[in-house]
Amino acid sequence: SYELTQPLSVSVALGQTARITCGGNNIGGRNVHWYYQKPGQAPVLVIYRDTNRPSGIPERFSGSNSGNTATLTISRAQAGDEADYYCQVWDSSVVFGGGTKLTVL
Amino acid sequence: EVRLVQSGAELKEPGESLRISCQGSEYSFATYWITWVRQMPGKGLEWMGSFDPRDSYTYYSPSFQDHVTISVDKSISTSYLQWGSLTASDTATYYCARQGGGVCDYWGQGTLVTVSS
Repeated sequence: SYELTQPLSVSVALGQTARITCGGNNIGGRNVHWYYQKPGQAPVLVIYRDTNRPSGIPERFSGSNSGNTATLTISRAQAGDEADYYCQVWDSSVVFGGGTKLTVL
Repeated sequence: EVRLVQSGAELKEPGESLRISCQGSEYSFATYWITWVRQMPGKGLEWMGSFDPRDSYTYYSPSFQDHVTISVDKSISTSYLQWGSLTASDTATYYCARQGGGVCDYWGQGTLVTVSS
């Protein structure tokens, strides 16, 4: 089965750029989706099909995907961006990464 | 606006059965898959299974295949997640999500299931 690897945690200074990676075998050939989840809340889609933002998601959120790594980039990080972030692909099933906790310092 | 509304929190004893629900609105329920996801306390998201309304087939994760049943009543735009016999390890929050093109674009608010004697 296909596996996705994410760092357990990422820290970023307020106003700086955070990058959260998602590793998988030739993940660049797949569509990658990203979700954030704040404590006690349901996940929210933040990037779909590698680079697309749903309506209502700020332009500060962007995505890229190439080779064996997909990346979620959060520019000008805010305290409200603190959350768990999950990557996901479809491999005849829904596959989630283990999640990354983003801390804004 | 698309909405998925789940049933309320449940407190059950081991060995009991349970069915929780997820009702969709403001979209064509028969057009999108419904996916169920488990989140154990303090842990990540785990895919349990997805229902394809085109052929009414449910795809299950091997981890959940023999323990839960996912069903859909299209007439009331509702999906169900059902257990025949709960165990303490089923204690978790369960989410339903609308799935299209492999992406879960809308999520229910979650249903907390607690199994304890």
